[in-house]
Amino acid sequence: DTGVSQDPRHKITKRGQNVTFRCDPISEHNRLYWYRQTLGQGPEFLTYFQNEAQLEKSRLLSDRFSAERPKGSFSTLEIQRTEQGDSAMYLCASSLNTGSNEKLFFGSGTQLSVL
Amino acid sequence: AQKITQTQPGMFVQEKEAVTLDCTYDTSDPSYGLFWYKQPSSGEMIFLIYQGSYDQQNATEGRYSLNFQKARKSANLVISASQLGDSAMYFCAMREGPLTGANSKLTFGKGITLSVRP
Repeated sequence: DTGVSQDPRHKITKRGQNVTFRCDPISEHNRLYWYRQTLGQGPEFLTYFQNEAQLEKSRLLSDRFSAERPKGSFSTLEIQRTEQGDSAMYLCASSLNTGSNEKLFFGSGTQLSVL
Repeated sequence: AQKITQTQPGMFVQEKEAVTLDCTYDTSDPSYGLFWYKQPSSGEMIFLIYQGSYDQQNATEGRYSLNFQKARKSANLVISASQLGDSAMYFCAMREGPLTGANSKLTFGKGITLSVRP
């Protein structure tokens, strides 16, 4: 068990560019979540997958954002035409659906800076 | 209204002493779960403890316990025998409704910074 892995750890980009982040969950976990965290705030839910199905998307996830989990394993989060307001830590988490006490295991996040 | 409220300013505690971190929540759903996570400077969120709305006993996990007062809608985290490694941000979070479909997401508070003094 190597934990949840996110790549890259840091990303600096210019406004208007596209960026893509990758998350590799814990291998037997069927659920995968994306959260966004800005400075001084708690994580905010963006979207989640059960296996390869995307079951919920937050209204925070504008049409510039897209997430995929093509084979129910790793996931990618793409942001098109980045804006300065997209600068944040993007956290991925995975879990095994065990009922109401489902625990999320988080990665160390990808810190995005949009210049 | 905020679903999770953490209003304490930065907290300080002497090593080996106990500390309580406050959390109040707001929900009209009778079925919910409350969680505490720790976020050290490395950025990774670490699960600490869980309390279900129907649980009769307060949850405990090693040095962590949750003081669950349902009528007051509070779920305070108690850390006993603080250690230097406990210095971190602490987040309270809630999951509402039974664990099906759209009810799986966690809503987090803004967090509390805890500093443990040697």
